[in-house]
Amino acid sequence: DAKTTQPPSMDCAEGRAANLPCNHSTISGNEYVYWYRQIHSQGPQYIIHGLKNNETNEMASLIITEDRKSSTLILPHATLRDTAVYYCIVRANSNSGYALNFGKGTSLLVTP
Amino acid sequence: NAGVTQTPKFRVLKTGQSMTLLCAQDMNHEYMYWYRQDPGMGLRLIHYSVGEGTTAKGEVPDGYNVSRLKKQNFLLGLESAAPSQTSVYFCASTLAPSGGTDTQYFGPGTRLTVL
Repeated sequence: DAKTTQPPSMDCAEGRAANLPCNHSTISGNEYVYWYRQIHSQGPQYIIHGLKNNETNEMASLIITEDRKSSTLILPHATLRDTAVYYCIVRANSNSGYALNFGKGTSLLVTP
Repeated sequence: NAGVTQTPKFRVLKTGQSMTLLCAQDMNHEYMYWYRQDPGMGLRLIHYSVGEGTTAKGEVPDGYNVSRLKKQNFLLGLESAAPSQTSVYFCASTLAPSGGTDTQYFGPGTRLTVL
């Protein structure tokens, strides 16, 4: 399984864009990049995922480099409620029932 | 549509006691998972199920057993609890992974303390 590297923590001012980086240099050609977040004491929540192309939904944008070795999650206008741990995940193969391989993630603090 | 629910929300056990955690989903999902999360760590896979009547071991299965007798329920059992099993347990489910487009839905967690 491809492993991911994320900074342990980041700060962002409310209303500004939060850009969360992730390195996944050993990603395989058919592996997707997923982003989940976990607000304190709650279960993880799906944000977005992608394979090659950039993706956007109502929550965030995902930018994947052309060589697919890294990606960036963008929260365009961060709010205090976006304070959470953000996990970049390259999904495990089918031998694990497609389970998610969580690392330690990035703890994002959005400040007033 | 309640999504994924977990019972109980909190539990305190003494070493050697047994208990069962219940996960239920009403989304007709095929795949279900049990993860544990220790303080400051990411989630780790304990067991999973790819359909009714089937179960398989994940990354940290020792000390746990599971059953999936009904499609909507996934039970996690601790036969003889140990302090090392103090953790937050999360259940998740997904419809059926295909082409990498599935989304896992998580329950609210069960906070277990073993004294």
